[in-house]
Amino acid sequence: DSGVTQTPKHLITATGQRVTLRCSPRSGDLSVYWYQQSLDQGLQFLIQYYNGEERAKGNILERFSAQQFPDLHSELNLSSLELGDSALYFCASSVRSGVEVGEQYFGPGTRLTVT
Amino acid sequence: TQLLEQSPQFLSIQEGENLTVYCNSSSVFSSLQWYRQEPGEGPVLLVTVVTGGEVKKLKRLTFQFGDARKDSSLHITAAQPGDTGLYLCAGTPSPYSGGGADGLTFGKGTHLIIQP
Repeated sequence: DSGVTQTPKHLITATGQRVTLRCSPRSGDLSVYWYQQSLDQGLQFLIQYYNGEERAKGNILERFSAQQFPDLHSELNLSSLELGDSALYFCASSVRSGVEVGEQYFGPGTRLTVT
Repeated sequence: TQLLEQSPQFLSIQEGENLTVYCNSSSVFSSLQWYRQEPGEGPVLLVTVVTGGEVKKLKRLTFQFGDARKDSSLHITAAQPGDTGLYLCAGTPSPYSGGGADGLTFGKGTHLIIQP
């Protein structure tokens, strides 16, 4: 158990809909990262928040957004969903903020299926 | 774009054999991490290597970071069925090679099957 929690475990929704994925980092970790894992692309970094502020963006679509709340939990919002958004979404947390060595600990993931 | 190429993509061997998987890039990384992932679960961190030439051992697993910090290897001695899984290398790109985002860059992974 990494200490990172994610809800829900599974999510099935229709195209065009909007969903929210939730993540709680390990106790004491200030950074939260979101990743998408698909069969063809592997694990792709989406976005990072550090202590409530957006820190870095990766391959995140404009239809996707995230935020980190004062209690440090984070939510990833996916809107206007397409079939291609079906994937595993992982949250990871780290105690560190930036480009220095930062070991990241991953949650169990949310499996999103768009029908 | 800092790409990490892992090889082999698939590996199936008998219990007791030794194996090495590789993680290569043309870019310099500040650090490299190795993860193991089971189907439907999140990656589990095995080790982080930081210094060029560094070697770390975790029981039967030996991890090495290349001198130039562009590549890494994972060697498993006397593989056991419990070692079966997807092994992923992931790196924090060095700012000096164009990195800046703090998210990890992942390789596609090596699917390892150890047959009893």
